[in-house]
Amino acid sequence: QKEVEQNSGPLSVPEGAIASLNCTYSDRGSQSFFWYRQYSGKSPELIMFIYSNGDKEDGRFTAQLNKASQYVSLLIRDSQPSDSATYLCAVNMWRGGADGLTFGKGTHLIIQP
Amino acid sequence: DAGVIQSPRHEVTEMGQEVTLRCKPISGHDYLFWYRQTMMRGLELLIYFNNNVPIDDSGMPEDRFSAKMPNASFSTLKIQPSEPRDSAVYFCASRISSYNSPLHFGNGTRLTVT
Repeated sequence: QKEVEQNSGPLSVPEGAIASLNCTYSDRGSQSFFWYRQYSGKSPELIMFIYSNGDKEDGRFTAQLNKASQYVSLLIRDSQPSDSATYLCAVNMWRGGADGLTFGKGTHLIIQP
Repeated sequence: DAGVIQSPRHEVTEMGQEVTLRCKPISGHDYLFWYRQTMMRGLELLIYFNNNVPIDDSGMPEDRFSAKMPNASFSTLKIQPSEPRDSAVYFCASRISSYNSPLHFGNGTRLTVT
């Protein structure tokens, strides 16, 4: 069973601090990794994607990938109350001869004003 | 540019009835995915299509579920007969053919089976 694991939370972070979200995956052959944000009652929206080992920065967001450890993380700097949402880690896993995104169950993040 | 369009937004039906969910992908996207989301199981991939052809339906829970994509701009997910445990939010998503390209989600259909 190919899996993506996340801590469900809730993860509570004070406003202005750094929020750190973590994800591990089981398929060593996975090549692409995505972070989606989902507000309650809404659809997932893409925040970032990362393909290579190391860090990738986009504004207040930094994605980190370590393929050897099968670990991907998302850092949110200067956290704002509007960042409160569920964050979904998604991994492109080879399945049945073609590809499809496998999602973790998400981490519920709460930014405390 | 219009995003992925799903209908209806909400569906309430009685156990045993047929339910049909609809999706229009983003123009030019040749992959289409159907996901189901529940609190217990999260987002689960049900089936996906490439160029209107079903590629992987291993996530379809049982024979009561079927999906079609008669052309590049339309797909349906049908449940017949529906059961209370089918209650969930069903998302359609599409993407271009690049292996690393992200998914774009529709607004979802919230299905309640009583």
